Amino acid sequence: AQKITQTQPGMFVQEKEAVTLDCTYDTSDQSYGLFWYKQPSSGEMIFLIYQGSYDEQNATEGRYSLNFQKARKSANLVISASQLGDSAMYFCAMREVYNQGGKLIFGQGTELSVKP
Amino acid sequence: GAVVSQHPSWVICKSGTSVKIECRSLDFQATTMFWYRQFPKQSLMLMATSNEGSKATYEQGVEKDKFLINHASLTLSTLTVTSAHPEDSSFYICSAREHTSPHEQYFGPGTRLTVT
Repeated sequence: AQKITQTQPGMFVQEKEAVTLDCTYDTSDQSYGLFWYKQPSSGEMIFLIYQGSYDEQNATEGRYSLNFQKARKSANLVISASQLGDSAMYFCAMREVYNQGGKLIFGQGTELSVKP
Repeated sequence: GAVVSQHPSWVICKSGTSVKIECRSLDFQATTMFWYRQFPKQSLMLMATSNEGSKATYEQGVEKDKFLINHASLTLSTLTVTSAHPEDSSFYICSAREHTSPHEQYFGPGTRLTVT
């Protein structure tokens, strides 16, 4: 069964610095997708970035990049130049492409606090 | 991007009553919708996968007779919490997949249910 693990319940970062949020996964499938979502206190889930298992290059979206290490089964999110508005919960998620309609399985989440 | 709405955004009900939550895809057709619940400071737990015109697939441990899901059209799925109890108080989030955008699920803003 697929599993997503985020081992950092909480993280602090100074404004304008970079931060890495860890995510490891486990799956027996060869084809899968990895996602990162941001959830501010309002509760909405904001899609940040996607990495496919066959993508050779790490995904990037503005200040977000995904450090994909397939052999280690890790998909860490890097946020560059942190802003106060980045303070939120961050969830890593995985979808096995051919399994059960594409449902997402989420990690436990990391609460990021950006300090001024 | 695609928009998913939920209604109501919050609801308070008395123990023993039923509550219906609607999830609508506003500008796309969603053949598959997902329902999640989230307790404070915890991750999203998938409750069920709903496909238009067919019965929902429930995750292990979710009572299908208590959480009734109907996906009657390509733009609407409903979750009815029957005979609600205080332990059903939670944040319920729906998401929808658009077949032309296989990498993303679009999340609704969530519904906060409080059972007194």
